Amino acid sequence: EAGVTQFPSHSVIEKGQTVTLRCDPISGHDNLYWYRRVMGKEIKFLLHFVKESKQDESGMPNNRFLAERTGGTYSTLKVQPAELEDSGVYFCASSLQMNTGELFFGEGSRLTVL
Amino acid sequence: AQSVTQLDSQVPVFEEAPVELRCNYSSSVSVYLFWYVQYPNQGLQLLLKYLSGSTLVESINGFEAEFNKSQTSFHLRKPSVHISDTAEYFCAVSPSLSGGYNKLIFGAGTRLAVHP
Repeated sequence: EAGVTQFPSHSVIEKGQTVTLRCDPISGHDNLYWYRRVMGKEIKFLLHFVKESKQDESGMPNNRFLAERTGGTYSTLKVQPAELEDSGVYFCASSLQMNTGELFFGEGSRLTVL
Repeated sequence: AQSVTQLDSQVPVFEEAPVELRCNYSSSVSVYLFWYVQYPNQGLQLLLKYLSGSTLVESINGFEAEFNKSQTSFHLRKPSVHISDTAEYFCAVSPSLSGGYNKLIFGAGTRLAVHP
């Protein structure tokens, strides 16, 4: 069974440009999460989808970030326009249930904004 | 609000030596506790979790953690480490899961480096 896959693994862009990160969760997992780790610090929650609906987007930093999950399958996280402080590793995770604490993480997408 | 402090950013240790990775949390409500591990070039994986019951929980690869409510700690231990345990370890908490979801609050991670 395929795990959570993320693309690209690493993206380097200039400040002001746009980047779109993609996440394919484990098949059948209705719950999809985005997390971010900046500069080796804590991994912080961004948002949570249940199927195609946003359950909680309280961790999204600002309106330059847009997450979508059309059709309840894969998800994209767009940053537009990117700023220097957006650099970090963006993790996607999925889970079958909402209340077990067990998330299955992808390897992450490293974003570098110059 | 909850927070997690991992007291050591890096822990070097020799193979077959014991190790303890420290984790303290703060919370005004009941929490559930987790340790995740990230091996090189892999995603995070759940290592063990405490939801209720016995305060000592174990993983399949010899790690254990003990929930200490009075000290608000959930330290991770292994009596004898292997080279393959080299990884980054993350402690995490979640507020009551009753009717909730998997909104985990992570610490900053501890890099465990096991040397031969």
